[in-house]
Amino acid sequence: KAGVTQTPRYLIKTRGQQVTLSCSPISGHRSVSWYQQTPGQGLQFLFEYFSETQRNKGNFPGRFSGRQFSNSRSEMNVSTLELGDSALYLCASSLAWGGGPSYEQFFGPGTRLTVL
Amino acid sequence: AQSVTQLDSQVPVFEEAPVELRCNYSSSVSVYLFWYVQYPNQGLQLLLKYLSGSTLVKGINGFEAEFNKSQTSFHLRKPSVHISDTAEYFCAVSDLGRGAQKLVFGQGTRLTINP
Repeated sequence: KAGVTQTPRYLIKTRGQQVTLSCSPISGHRSVSWYQQTPGQGLQFLFEYFSETQRNKGNFPGRFSGRQFSNSRSEMNVSTLELGDSALYLCASSLAWGGGPSYEQFFGPGTRLTVL
Repeated sequence: AQSVTQLDSQVPVFEEAPVELRCNYSSSVSVYLFWYVQYPNQGLQLLLKYLSGSTLVKGINGFEAEFNKSQTSFHLRKPSVHISDTAEYFCAVSDLGRGAQKLVFGQGTRLTINP
């Protein structure tokens, strides 16, 4: 079974631009979560989607948004990029928003975003 | 809010020596606990998880962890490390009361294995 895929793997943008990152979950997984990883702040939860609905949201400004499609693929968008948005953005998928083993999250390789 | 503390930011050990990476979390309410490993330029790989049941959890690559509810700890151990274990290790907790899909991570422990 294919793992979580993220595209693109690397991205360079300039301040003020916007960017869209894509995540394809493991087949059959319905929940997709996004995390930001930086050297200073570590790994921080951005948001989680299940059945095309945002279920949880982290403490990030409104410039960060996301969506999920009917095939469970997800995108996240960052508008008006700032230098501090440079990070590794990780996507994780899990079976369902429920209990027990379905909570195990499988991570993709990440998209490294550099803002100049 | 839930928080996770990894007590050591870096742990250097010699090959074939035992290692313990420490993790404490902030709350004793019902939680799921995880250890992930991250190799350079890669995503996170799950080493092991505690959901319920036995407090001693065995994972991949010879790692194990013990859940201690009274001390709110979930320390990761390996009896004999290998050069290939060099990586960053993250402890994470999901708070069942706040939506278990939200993982809260510790700051990570960089494990360096010296020959």
